[in-house]
Amino acid sequence: KNQVEQSPQSLIILEGKNCTLQCNYTVSPFSNLRWYKQDTGRGPVSLTIMTFSENTKSNGRYTATLGADTKQSSLHITASQLSDSASYICVVSSLPGGADGLTFGKGTHLIIQP
Amino acid sequence: NAGVTQTPKFRVLKTGQSMTLLCAQDMNHEYMYWYRQDPGMGLRLIHYSVGEGTTAKGEVPDGYNVSRLKKQNFLLGLESAAPSQTSVYFCASTRGQNYGYTFGSGTRLTVV
Repeated sequence: KNQVEQSPQSLIILEGKNCTLQCNYTVSPFSNLRWYKQDTGRGPVSLTIMTFSENTKSNGRYTATLGADTKQSSLHITASQLSDSASYICVVSSLPGGADGLTFGKGTHLIIQP
Repeated sequence: NAGVTQTPKFRVLKTGQSMTLLCAQDMNHEYMYWYRQDPGMGLRLIHYSVGEGTTAKGEVPDGYNVSRLKKQNFLLGLESAAPSQTSVYFCASTRGQNYGYTFGSGTRLTVV
């Protein structure tokens, strides 16, 4: 069964600090891996999408890495801001061309304290 | 720049009542999806559509029906609501498999 595991479940850091969120997956066949940010009471918003051949992708202060051989991904947040407080969801796609096939992680709940 | 719009945002139903959730997108996306999000769980796919007039079952379709009569709209129906359907429902759309999904802001449904 396809699975996406995220760690930690929750994390509290001080404003201005960096942090790294982890995602391990057992999804086959692999198509792409996505990171989403979900603010409380809102829908998820896409941060990055990486295919098998990409091992890093940045979006502002967010940098995602992908180890396709180790089936791991990380999301690094640099110089955190209060607005970074949210849940971060790792999603792995296993079907190129199909409409279904996404496996969602449960998310990491990140709190930035002033 | 509306994106994906969901209505209503909140709803309380009594067990056995029926209702329809509406999802509308203005991006001309072919693919549309309905997910539910429950505490401690990842988003789970209820139904999806790959184009106008088509629908397919996802991971948790029981108790729900959908229709895609127009490309821009995707309706989710609850025929006879049950407390187990208390959840937050998200609609999403995309233009293709390797593109990001655009999500609506969600509908919080409580069945009592």
